[in-house]
Amino acid sequence: EVQLAESGGGLVRPGGSLRLSCAASGFTFGDYWMSWVRQAPGKGLQWVSRIRNDGGSTTYADFVKGRFTISRDNTKNTLYLQMHSLRGDDTAVYYCVQGGDLTSWGQGTQVIVSS
Amino acid sequence: SYDLTQSPSVSVSPGQTATITCSGHRLGDKYVCWYHQRPGQSPRLVIYEDNKRPSGVPGRFSGSNSGNIATLTISGTQPIDEGDYYCQAWDSGTVFGGGTKLTVL
Repeated sequence: EVQLAESGGGLVRPGGSLRLSCAASGFTFGDYWMSWVRQAPGKGLQWVSRIRNDGGSTTYADFVKGRFTISRDNTKNTLYLQMHSLRGDDTAVYYCVQGGDLTSWGQGTQVIVSS
Repeated sequence: SYDLTQSPSVSVSPGQTATITCSGHRLGDKYVCWYHQRPGQSPRLVIYEDNKRPSGVPGRFSGSNSGNIATLTISGTQPIDEGDYYCQAWDSGTVFGGGTKLTVL
């Protein structure tokens, strides 16, 4: 069974940084593209970033370019999202998602950006 | 940027057919996925590559995509099918529709 466990969320002040992690199990992590998708309170889904299975290619939504960095460690079966210069509109639940078709989703980790 | 448009809400009686649409410029040229999200839960993939069902998704879910419109059809809708449905396509990045709230009453 695919399991994706996000961690690292929390309360951070505007302009601050956070690093999210996603521990993957139940599948061969290094065979899959991985993505981060977020959902602001009461709002819809918003794709953030994705990374190729070997980490050699990354893509970002325009609203996070230059502020967020996606990475992965295939030896640890872990996906990361480093977030800098956080703003109030980055407040959301951040989901770790398996595959190009967003096949399996974690439970999400809450990020709150507030002073 | 590429936009996907969904109607905000759809209501259907139990046992009837629910139709949820997603529109975008030449959407039929792209693959569309559909996700179902119940309140307080993570989204779940129900249709990929326009009309394929992942393992474990009931056969009452089906999809189509042509022209500018993709459609998710739920035949014999059940109360457990309530929730938000999102369409998704790829265009220089993953794009989601705004979501459709399905009410079964």
